[in-house]
Amino acid sequence: EVQLVESGGGLVQPGGSLRLSCAASGFTFTDYWMNWVRQAPGKGLEWVAKIDQGGREESYVDSVKGRFTISRDNAKNSVYLQMNSLRGEDTAVYFCARSQWPGYFPSWGQGALVTVSS
Amino acid sequence: QTVVTQEPSFSVSPGGTVTLTCALTSGSVSISHYPSWYQQTPGQAPRTLIYNTTTRSSGVPARFSGSILGNKVALIITGAQAHDESDYYCVLYMGGGVWVFGGGTKLTVL
Repeated sequence: EVQLVESGGGLVQPGGSLRLSCAASGFTFTDYWMNWVRQAPGKGLEWVAKIDQGGREESYVDSVKGRFTISRDNAKNSVYLQMNSLRGEDTAVYFCARSQWPGYFPSWGQGALVTVSS
Repeated sequence: QTVVTQEPSFSVSPGGTVTLTCALTSGSVSISHYPSWYQQTPGQAPRTLIYNTTTRSSGVPARFSGSILGNKVALIITGAQAHDESDYYCVLYMGGGVWVFGGGTKLTVL
């Protein structure tokens, strides 16, 4: 069974940093791109970032470029999201999601809540 | 900035049919966007319904189907049931490892 388990969420002040982790199991981790998708309170889903199987190609939504960094450790079957210079509008539940061809998300974690507030 | 639009809300009677759509503010949605659809209830992770425009995900009932509808993509629910009341999201693959979600449709069954 595919499992994606996020951790590392919490309360952080504006301008602060936080690192989310996602532990994957139940599939061959190195075969798939991995992503972060977020959902602000009462709002819709927003794709945030993607990393390829080898960790060499990353892509981001414009609103987080230069502030967020996605990475992965294939030895630990884990993907991470380093979030710096956090803003109130980054407050959201962050979901870890596996993507596969043809370009969709078959597997999701339960999410980690990040609250940016003073 | 690519914007994907969906109806903010829709209502359907039990047993009825509803067509939810997903469009681009600039240009047409095509199969090369590999449209996919997700169902989400409050507090839960999204569930994959349809991918690659028309393919149902494993375990999804046949009353859910996907199609291209003119310059949009559509999710059709036939024979709506009370537990279909959820938020529905489409997402389009824009290439280069970038996706854009629609704003979502809140479906009410009553």
